[in-house]
Amino acid sequence: AQSVTQLDSHVSVSEGTPVLLRCNYSSSYSPSLFWYVQHPNKGLQLLLKYTSAATLVKGINGFEAEFKKSETSFHLTKPSAHMSDAAEYFCVVRDNQGGKLIFGQGTELSVKP
Amino acid sequence: EPEVTQTPSHQVTQMGQEVILRCVPISNHLYFYWYRQILGQKVEFLVSFYNNEISEKSEIFDDQFSVERPDGSNFTLKIRSTKLEDSAMYFCASSLTFSNQPQHFGDGTRLSIL
Repeated sequence: AQSVTQLDSHVSVSEGTPVLLRCNYSSSYSPSLFWYVQHPNKGLQLLLKYTSAATLVKGINGFEAEFKKSETSFHLTKPSAHMSDAAEYFCVVRDNQGGKLIFGQGTELSVKP
Repeated sequence: EPEVTQTPSHQVTQMGQEVILRCVPISNHLYFYWYRQILGQKVEFLVSFYNNEISEKSEIFDDQFSVERPDGSNFTLKIRSTKLEDSAMYFCASSLTFSNQPQHFGDGTRLSIL
């Protein structure tokens, strides 16, 4: 069975400092991986996706993620945090059999001024 | 940019009542999904729908739940007799293809069962 584990439930950074949100995946197949963001009282917005092309994936709002097969990781990074980045972030793997999305527990990102 | 729209944004219902949550997927998308997120828990898959039939459903999606695409634009989730534990945020999503296109989500309907 496929799964994702987000290693931190809460991350706090200062504005202008780097962001690292960690995610490990488990999959028997070459996975399709995503990061989604959820701002308060809003829906789930796609940040970026990995579907077995380049291992370094660039997304919206300056976010990137690197697929590392040897470490089964798909960590999300951003060089410099903005206040507007404060939100809940979800690492997600797509089920290869049925297409449904399997979500991690979420990481709440706080950005201090 | 086209988006998935969900109505209502918040629904309050008495336990035992029927509720219908509505979604308008992106117009050229072919695959439709419902997920839910109970407060403080993970987002969970409920059901997927393609070509006017259910493709897959989770253990949560029991006989109290049903989905329908009554016309060319709407996609609905019905809960026949609501329970307290059905209180959650319900998200609709759609995608163009099964595999290599992402799912796009609506803003959700917050369902509160009293």
